[in-house]
Amino acid sequence: EVQLVESGGGLVQPGRSLRLSCAASGFTFDDYAMHWVRQAPGKGLEWVSGISWNSGSIGYADSVKGRFTISRDNAKNSLYLQMNSLRAEDTALYYCAKDTSDYGDYLFDYWGQGTLVTVSS
Amino acid sequence: SYELTQPPSVSVSPGQTARITCSGDALPKQYAYWYQQKPGQAPVLVIYKDSERPSGIPERFSGSSSGTTVTLTISGVQAEDEADYYCQSADSSGTYKGVFGGGTKLTVL
Repeated sequence: EVQLVESGGGLVQPGRSLRLSCAASGFTFDDYAMHWVRQAPGKGLEWVSGISWNSGSIGYADSVKGRFTISRDNAKNSLYLQMNSLRAEDTALYYCAKDTSDYGDYLFDYWGQGTLVTVSS
Repeated sequence: SYELTQPPSVSVSPGQTARITCSGDALPKQYAYWYQQKPGQAPVLVIYKDSERPSGIPERFSGSSSGTTVTLTISGVQAEDEADYYCQSADSSGTYKGVFGGGTKLTVL
């Protein structure tokens, strides 16, 4: 059974940093691209960042480019999102999502349950 | 930046057909995907590659594409179909970037 379990969310002050993790199991992690998607309270889904199977291709939404860094450790079956210079508008539930291809087709067949990030003073 | 445009809301009575559209300039060149999200739950894929249905998704869900618009059709809508629906695709600029539509709230009257 495929499982994606996010962790690392919490309450953080504006300008500070936070690192999210996603532990994957039930599939061959290094065969697939992975993504982070967020959803602000009461709002829609926003693609945040994606990474190909071998970290050779990485992308970011314009709203987080230069502040967030995605990475993966295939030996640990884990996906990460380093979030720096956090802003109030980064407050959201952050989902980890599995792609169906190694490079990245942006087709997400499995999602975690999300970890909540709240940016507030 | 690339955008996908959906109507904010669609309302239908039980048993009727609901159609939710998604427009984007790159949709003739990029596949679109549809996700259903119910309150407090993670999204679930209901249509991929414009019109393919994953296993386990009821046959009343279908997808189509015409030019710059893709459409999710739910035939014989049931109360349980009330949810938010999001289209998704890839940015066409050649950069590694995904995009979601703004979402459509389907209300079953």
